Amino acid sequence: DAGITQSPRHKVTETGTPVTLRCHQTENHRYMYWYRQDPGHGLRLIHYSYGVKDTDKGEVSDGYSVSRSKTEDFLLTLESATSSQTSVYFCATSGTMEKLFFGSGTQLSVL
Amino acid sequence: AQKVTQAQTEISVVEKEDVTLDCVYETRDTTYYLFWYKQPPSGELVFLIRRNSFDEQNEISGRYSWNFQKSTSSFNFTITASQVVDSAVYFCALRTISSFSGGYQKVTFGTGTKLQVIP
Repeated sequence: DAGITQSPRHKVTETGTPVTLRCHQTENHRYMYWYRQDPGHGLRLIHYSYGVKDTDKGEVSDGYSVSRSKTEDFLLTLESATSSQTSVYFCATSGTMEKLFFGSGTQLSVL
Repeated sequence: AQKVTQAQTEISVVEKEDVTLDCVYETRDTTYYLFWYKQPPSGELVFLIRRNSFDEQNEISGRYSWNFQKSTSSFNFTITASQVVDSAVYFCALRTISSFSGGYQKVTFGTGTKLQVIP
């Protein structure tokens, strides 16, 4: 199995608080992705990275920011969490043109 | 922009029936990759297949087969003689290479098809 670790695995927070989710990989993959999964919407891309300090927006990027200061880590930050950001968040990594390897997911609840 | 459409939200079949899951994609890239993933009730995402845009040969792997047709922008997935263990959500995904379609190495998923196989 690919070495992809998401932390935390579960988090409950309050509306208006900042939240940071971490994705750590040991595969030296160039590409990293953050998705959220909600019923009826499948997996929607939030942000992705095609190299250190190189990131781009996905289809649902509003309210989220990311940072990638080194190959291994891709951080997703909710600047001010809202109830609509309650979701399961998946990180994925990939080499060039390869399949995506997924983390185990983070269940985030915003109350 | 790129898009993946899985029009079938939920499908129920009786065990041993064949079932086809549809996937239609949109992209302006001439080079791209298509994928199918399975998400069983346990929640992890399991890779099933990758296909590049230059290879239109159909593929068969055991009870699974995939039909890729560029002319109709479709990449359909068939399970033959379905089993209860096939019950899962299945996702189709598209990966583009260039920024022409709106994102370099961007990977877009469809909304998924939930398959229930009834014993």
